[in-house]
Amino acid sequence: KAGVTQTPRYLIKTRGQQVTLSCSPISGHRSVSWYQQTPGQGLQFLFEYFSETQRNKGNFPGRFSGRQFSNSRSEMNVSTLELGDSALYLCASRSDRVKGYTFGSGTRLTVV
Amino acid sequence: GEDVEQSLFLSVREGDSSVINCTYTDSSSTYLYWYKQEPGAGLQLLTYIFSNMDMKQDQRLTVLLNKKDKHLSLRIADTQTGDSAIYFCAETSTPVPNYGGSQGNLIFGKGTKLSVKP
Repeated sequence: KAGVTQTPRYLIKTRGQQVTLSCSPISGHRSVSWYQQTPGQGLQFLFEYFSETQRNKGNFPGRFSGRQFSNSRSEMNVSTLELGDSALYLCASRSDRVKGYTFGSGTRLTVV
Repeated sequence: GEDVEQSLFLSVREGDSSVINCTYTDSSSTYLYWYKQEPGAGLQLLTYIFSNMDMKQDQRLTVLLNKKDKHLSLRIADTQTGDSAIYFCAETSTPVPNYGGSQGNLIFGKGTKLSVKP
């Protein structure tokens, strides 16, 4: 069974640009969550999607947005990038029955 | 507010047992998790424990939960050099009432870097 797939693995963007990250959950998993990992703040929750609807969101500015498609794949978008947005962005999926979250390898975003 | 605390570093000798400790604040957390992160990788789910359990054992891993003190620990028996990684403890937040269907998000500690010396 394929794991959680995140693309791209690495990205370099310039301040002010926008970026879209993609996450394909494990087949059959309908819940997808996004987390930001930085050395200073650690792992912080961004948002959670289930059945194409945002079910929960963390304390991030409106520049961070996401969506989920009917096949459960999810994208997150960051507009007007700032240097502080440089981080590892992790996606996690979970099935309705199993309580553990399975994480992807992440997308490392560098803003210059 | 919700917070998870862990010590930042632990160093052990190969073959010894490692014990990584964690304290959490949200007494309503239903599940508590341990994740492992190796350099350049995502998070690997090691184990989780339901809040009405005191202990869970899975091969070399033993999780102990003291709900009264809100203390969680992960014991790794016969620690190997391949166990060197960062270990994260996580609790589940209280689901937001206005959002339907959420089980609550994970709240992570800062992680404990385990170094295993041969």
